Amino acid sequence: TQLLEQSPQFLSIQEGENLTVYCNSSSVFSSLQWYRQEPGEGPVLLVTVVTGGEVKKLKRLTFQFGDARKDSSLHITAAQPGDTGLYLCAGGAAQSGGYQKVTFGIGTKLQVIP
Amino acid sequence: EAQVTQNPRYLITVTGKKLTVTCSQNMNHEYMSWYRQDPGLGLRQIYYSMNVEVTDKGDVPEGYKVSRKEKRNFPLILESPSPNQTSLYFCASSPSLRYSNQPQHFGDGTRLSIL
Repeated sequence: TQLLEQSPQFLSIQEGENLTVYCNSSSVFSSLQWYRQEPGEGPVLLVTVVTGGEVKKLKRLTFQFGDARKDSSLHITAAQPGDTGLYLCAGGAAQSGGYQKVTFGIGTKLQVIP
Repeated sequence: EAQVTQNPRYLITVTGKKLTVTCSQNMNHEYMSWYRQDPGLGLRQIYYSMNVEVTDKGDVPEGYKVSRKEKRNFPLILESPSPNQTSLYFCASSPSLRYSNQPQHFGDGTRLSIL
């Protein structure tokens, strides 16, 4: 079973601060996704990265896929209270028949205090 | 509006009383999946379906059944629920998870308590 470890598990910061959360594995993934989940709702996709070393930006969020495709990071610049939520990483790996097995990390619970 | 709809959103029931959680998607997606989310354990896959009449076990299938008779519907059945199945359940759909990791669209969840 492929495992994805996320750190930190909990993070509480003041509005305006920067932060980075990490998603690490000993396994290689063909793609890595980041989702955000708010209370009472299901996860919503933020980004998919597929190439080792790839960097994608979504406004104040910067996502990076490790060169070896085993890890990823999410950096938030000048965090806002609206960034509060549970951030989940999900790795995809090809199985027999071409099906992509998706494994989710436990998540990082972020609280941004106004 | 494109969406995944789960019902019920909340359910409190007793051990052994069969229940079904329905899931419906209106995006013509081939792939559907059920997850449970527990504190400290994250999202774990219960069952998935690559297409109509094609289902397979995920990581934690014990105590659950599913069926995929139509493309849009993927119900989760607990034949004899037990307290260890108390959890937050999510249904998700995706255009396909064959050959590429396409986005999964999640429902809003079903909070299930089994006494």
